[in-house]
Amino acid sequence: AQTVTQSQPEMSVQEAETVTLSCTYDTSESDYYLFWYKQPPSRQMILVIRQEAYKQQNATENRFSVNFQKAAKSFSLKISDSQLGDAAMYFCAYRSRREYGNKLVFGAGTILRVKS
Amino acid sequence: EAQVTQNPRYLITVTGKKLTVTCSQNMNHEYMSWYRQDPGLGLRQIYYSMNVEVTDKGDVPEGYKVSRKEKRNFPLILESPSPNQTSLYFCASSSHGEQFFGPGTRLTVL
Repeated sequence: AQTVTQSQPEMSVQEAETVTLSCTYDTSESDYYLFWYKQPPSRQMILVIRQEAYKQQNATENRFSVNFQKAAKSFSLKISDSQLGDAAMYFCAYRSRREYGNKLVFGAGTILRVKS
Repeated sequence: EAQVTQNPRYLITVTGKKLTVTCSQNMNHEYMSWYRQDPGLGLRQIYYSMNVEVTDKGDVPEGYKVSRKEKRNFPLILESPSPNQTSLYFCASSSHGEQFFGPGTRLTVL
């Protein structure tokens, strides 16, 4: 079974600085998706960024980018120019392309605090 | 507006009293899922459905039931809730791409 590990329960960053959240995963498959979700205090799950495993190029969405290392099974999220609105719980998630039901496998989450 | 709705948003109940959490989506998605979120565990899939009348167990199905009589609705049923089902519950729907999540239901079982 696939597993996702986020080893940092909490992280802090100063406003306007850069922070990297770590994620590792375990799978025997070669074709899958990886995601980062943001959960602010409102509890809404918001998709931040998505990476397809067959793409070598790292995904980027404005201030958010990933470092996808397929051989190392590592998928870290970099947030540049951090803003107060980035404070939230961040979840890393995996989805197999073959899995029935589109199941997402989540890590335990990392709480990101942004200091002004 | 494309959305997934859940009701109720908050629920406090007692052990053994049957309850249903409703979920509805307006995007004509085939796939729908229920997840529960617990501290230190992230979100875990309870049940999923690939289409009307097609449902299957996820990773933590014990104590839950679901049904999919219409494409848009996917209710979660707890026939005899217990305190270990106190959690935050999310419904999600998708076609073959991004999953859309509902706003969550905070359930407390006393």
